[in-house]
Amino acid sequence: DAGVIQSPRHEVTEMGQEVTLRCKPISGHNSLFWYRQTMMRGLELLIYFNNNVPIDDSGMPEDRFSAKMPNASFSTLKIQPSEPRDSAVYFCASSFELAASTDTQYFGPGTRLTVL
Amino acid sequence: GENVEQHPSTLSVQEGDSAVIKCTYSDSASNYFPWYKQELGKRPQLIIDIRSNVGEKKDQRIAVTLNKTAKHFSLHITETQPEDSAVYFCAASKTNLLNSGYSTLTFGKGTMLLVSP
Repeated sequence: DAGVIQSPRHEVTEMGQEVTLRCKPISGHNSLFWYRQTMMRGLELLIYFNNNVPIDDSGMPEDRFSAKMPNASFSTLKIQPSEPRDSAVYFCASSFELAASTDTQYFGPGTRLTVL
Repeated sequence: GENVEQHPSTLSVQEGDSAVIKCTYSDSASNYFPWYKQELGKRPQLIIDIRSNVGEKKDQRIAVTLNKTAKHFSLHITETQPEDSAVYFCAASKTNLLNSGYSTLTFGKGTMLLVSP
């Protein structure tokens, strides 16, 4: 299995531009998580999908951030418009979750976003 | 919500020594506690986890202990090697009954472990 796949690996953009990050979870996993990692705030959960349905988006910082999961093998995280404070490493993770049971989350390689 | 505190933030040891990293959590309903290792520029990877129905788990040179009463859990690495140098994250999870019974992880801020040869 190729593991969780993310693209692009690096993204440099200018303030105000739209940024789209992509994720392909491990085949067979039914839960997908988007995290943001910074030195100041550590690993923060942004949004969580189960069976393609958003379950908890309370971590999404503001309306500029949106996420979709149109099918079991693809998700996007979009920032529009981007700001310098959005610069961070964005990780996607997936797991096989059953209600009332937690399973291992496997992380993708991350996308390093720099907003100038 | 859940709050996970992790100490120390940095830890330097000599090769062959033991290293201990400690975490506390706030929600007594938390029942799953994984530890992740993140090497520089890489993704976090699970190294060991423990569930609330056991007090200790070992895997070769690493072990995790859990004290539910005190709400703390620890990672123990024995016979440390330079390749153990990385940032280690603890996390806690519980079933969120308000959200269809699913759960999410809350991470500690991480411990940078440096093992000197």
